Amino acid sequence: GDSVTQMEGPVTLSEEAFLTINCTYTATGYPSLFWYVQYPGEGLQLLLKATKADDKGSNKGFEATYRKETTSFHLEKGSVQVSDSAVYFCALNNYGQNFVFGPGTRLSVLP
Amino acid sequence: EAGVAQSPRYKIIEKRQSVAFWCNPISGHATLYWYQQILGQGPKLLIQFQNNGVVDDSQLPKDRFSAERLKGVDSTLKIQPAKLEDSAVYLCASSWGVGQPNEKLFFGSGTQLSVL
Repeated sequence: GDSVTQMEGPVTLSEEAFLTINCTYTATGYPSLFWYVQYPGEGLQLLLKATKADDKGSNKGFEATYRKETTSFHLEKGSVQVSDSAVYFCALNNYGQNFVFGPGTRLSVLP
Repeated sequence: EAGVAQSPRYKIIEKRQSVAFWCNPISGHATLYWYQQILGQGPKLLIQFQNNGVVDDSQLPKDRFSAERLKGVDSTLKIQPAKLEDSAVYLCASSWGVGQPNEKLFFGSGTQLSVL
């Protein structure tokens, strides 16, 4: 079945550092890809998405590019802030099937 | 707009007891999902409703879990009897459509269940 793999956390960075969280997937066909974020005490919320190969999703300074050749959707941000501290989930949705989430990567940003 | 509401926020029970969770999705959302999130793992789908019909319950342990969506709006998820391995956060989510691949899910804050 479809699956999503993420880099293990926790990831600890200093403010203004560069962030990369790796995500790779296994799926038949051409799934849509997502990053969801969960801030402390809150529910998951959509951060960004991409629906086809070479699409770039972006939001709040975060970016991720749908790479079909490497089956990857790595999350990046050029300069993280303390307020970015959260758990980040990579996910896919294959048409007609359900969302499949990765295990999540906890990010802590220190001032 | 109001978000997805869930209650209770926390629940502690002993094994073999029963428990129920409630979810009120965003008004007008056709699809409602219940996910189980075990510590350190991503959310796993338990059941998906479209309006008041079940679309997918293939991963719902039907010997102990049950769910219903009354009149296509609110939903309840019940566990009876609970086991230690049911300790998890139970997330409710909703979406406008009927499971399109680029559909955005709106999540509630979840119910954290501890089974002792």
